[in-house]
Amino acid sequence: DTGVSQDPRHKITKRGQNVTFRCDPISEHNRLYWYRQTLGQGPEFLTYFQNEAQLEKSRLLSDRFSAERPKGSFSTLEIQRTEQGDSAMYLCASSLEGAKGIGAFFGQGTRLTVV
Amino acid sequence: AQSVTQLGSHVSVSEGALVLLRCNYSSSVPPYLFWYVQYPNQGLQLLLKYTTGATLVKGINGFEAEFKKSETSFHLTKPSAHMSDAAEYFCAVSGSTNAGKSTFGDGTTLTVKP
Repeated sequence: DTGVSQDPRHKITKRGQNVTFRCDPISEHNRLYWYRQTLGQGPEFLTYFQNEAQLEKSRLLSDRFSAERPKGSFSTLEIQRTEQGDSAMYLCASSLEGAKGIGAFFGQGTRLTVV
Repeated sequence: AQSVTQLGSHVSVSEGALVLLRCNYSSSVPPYLFWYVQYPNQGLQLLLKYTTGATLVKGINGFEAEFKKSETSFHLTKPSAHMSDAAEYFCAVSGSTNAGKSTFGDGTTLTVKP
């Protein structure tokens, strides 16, 4: 296992379209996080899962956003009716509960451009 | 609640000079502190972290940082800058119950001049 994998790396979509991103975490990691990073800013927490349960969602995650982790392995993040303000880098990270202080390992991100 | 302030959005140094990137944090619980590096269109790579114990922590690529509780600071240093250090650097804070959920600063872009 070489790390957290995200697909696609880049996505260009028209305003109003739906998009879905995938994240494959490090295999033994039971926690998975989604962050959003806009230009010139640090990453902002969106949501996280422990196994298949979504335990926390940020207020940044509007109703148009939904995330799933159906079998506690990979996760998807869907954005419905995309808006130009959704243009950002979406980062996925994973960690192992109980391995305190290890922190999270990040993927390469998916850069979304809404035109 | 937690927050991070990175002082100086851009830092420029000459190759071979000392690198100092400043980070101050606020946390209502004992913090875990991290420094990450990000190259253009890439994800975040962990440079180093502080959890408990020794307050001077060493990371990859010759970087180190010192946790100073009294100053609520976690500044990143490297004795001698290399051209390959040019990148964006992020300081982050989390709590011990969920080390993966971090609050990030806005980043510092490091430029290294030949």
